[in-house]
Amino acid sequence: GAVVSQHPSRVICKSGTSVKIECRSLDFQATTMFWYRQFPKQSLMLMATSNEGSKATYEQGVEKDKFLINHASLTLSTLTVTSAHPEDSSFYICSASNRGQSNQPQHFGDGTRLSIL
Amino acid sequence: QQQVKQSPQSLIVQKGGISIINCAYENTAFDYFPWYQQFPGKGPALLIAIRPDVSEKKEGRFTISFNKSAKQFSLHIMDSQPGDSATYFCAATGDYKLSFGAGTTVTVRA
Repeated sequence: GAVVSQHPSRVICKSGTSVKIECRSLDFQATTMFWYRQFPKQSLMLMATSNEGSKATYEQGVEKDKFLINHASLTLSTLTVTSAHPEDSSFYICSASNRGQSNQPQHFGDGTRLSIL
Repeated sequence: QQQVKQSPQSLIVQKGGISIINCAYENTAFDYFPWYQQFPGKGPALLIAIRPDVSEKKEGRFTISFNKSAKQFSLHIMDSQPGDSATYFCAATGDYKLSFGAGTTVTVRA
């Protein structure tokens, strides 16, 4: 099956630091990647959708200058949390999709636990 | 607003029992209904999915029942095992953008 690798799995850093999270599709071309945020015991909240080679589309209420998304190739997307603060602490999950395949729209990574001190 | 409503929030079932989770949607443009299983600290993994031209789909111990006219679908976990203890999310999409339910935490007691 399709594999999506997310790195790092856990990050602990000081307030004010910028943190980059990588999402890679290992065995298929991901024309579209999605970034989600999940708080404890809650559902996944879509933050943004990125298509390879174009600017990301952010959901309402998500600050694009705070959460920078780059999707420069068909196998890699990055999410950078800029000047992170404790309220940014959360579980961030990426998913990848190849719009040419309709049997499974999204393949998920294993998430990144971000803790800002 | 949440486009997919999921219930119950949590359930406890004895080993060997049946777990049933229900979801309802409003958007008639949805044409793909997946269920995801998520363990603590992990991303969601696709469990089983159905399209609206089918009323039921079974894969091993997992069955989706789909009622298009009522805009409802449900997941049945037969012969529940302790390893099935996880959070289950229903979802729906019409364009690759998933709308998730709130999730159901299933605990299977041995």
